[in-house]
Amino acid sequence: DADVTQTPRNRITKTGKRIMLECSQTKGHDRMYWYRQDPGLGLRLIYYSFDVKDINKGEISDGYSVSRQAQAKFSLSLESAIPNQTALYFCATSDLGRRFFFGSGTRLTVV
Amino acid sequence: QKEVEQNSGPLSVPEGAIASLNCTYSDRGSQSFFWYRQYSGKSPELIMFIYSNGDKEDGRFTAQLNKASQYVSLLIRDSQPSDSATYLCAVNVGNYQLIWGAGTKLIIKP
Repeated sequence: DADVTQTPRNRITKTGKRIMLECSQTKGHDRMYWYRQDPGLGLRLIYYSFDVKDINKGEISDGYSVSRQAQAKFSLSLESAIPNQTALYFCATSDLGRRFFFGSGTRLTVV
Repeated sequence: QKEVEQNSGPLSVPEGAIASLNCTYSDRGSQSFFWYRQYSGKSPELIMFIYSNGDKEDGRFTAQLNKASQYVSLLIRDSQPSDSATYLCAVNVGNYQLIWGAGTKLIIKP
């Protein structure tokens, strides 16, 4: 079983819809992250969490929200999806901010 | 603004040759540096990290760091077709955050 699991793997949604991406991990790490990846732009940080009570905005948090339900679970919501949120989304965990471990990604298309 | 820059490529290298990937960063206070490999449509995976100036070797991979020049590189010896991927450079800028380069696409030609 994967250490970091993301669901769904692929999703097509309509503009204006609310959508949630889920992430769970079995690595026992406190630190969890949500990134989006667009061609030619690398990974950009949306939100990160150092523990259940610590949630922080990344460089591109507008239009997104997160929930850390437990140490192992960190979900990302798009409140009202728009086409420029079409991207590949990755959840990651890290051990003290050194090595990052990624989920398989969610390919989101907003039409 | 803290930045990490990589040549987007593609970098084409014959099988068996040495592939050299480069990365520059803007934050002089950066302490740790990482190379991740990402196959198309897959998630990034860590292949090397380096903290100190100089070279660090792991199998066919060598990471090189020059903090004075704000430069980190990755050498892949005896390149194989399976090394064809995008290589992401990432820099720890404090507070356990990484700044990511956009990646260099490497193609190994049989």
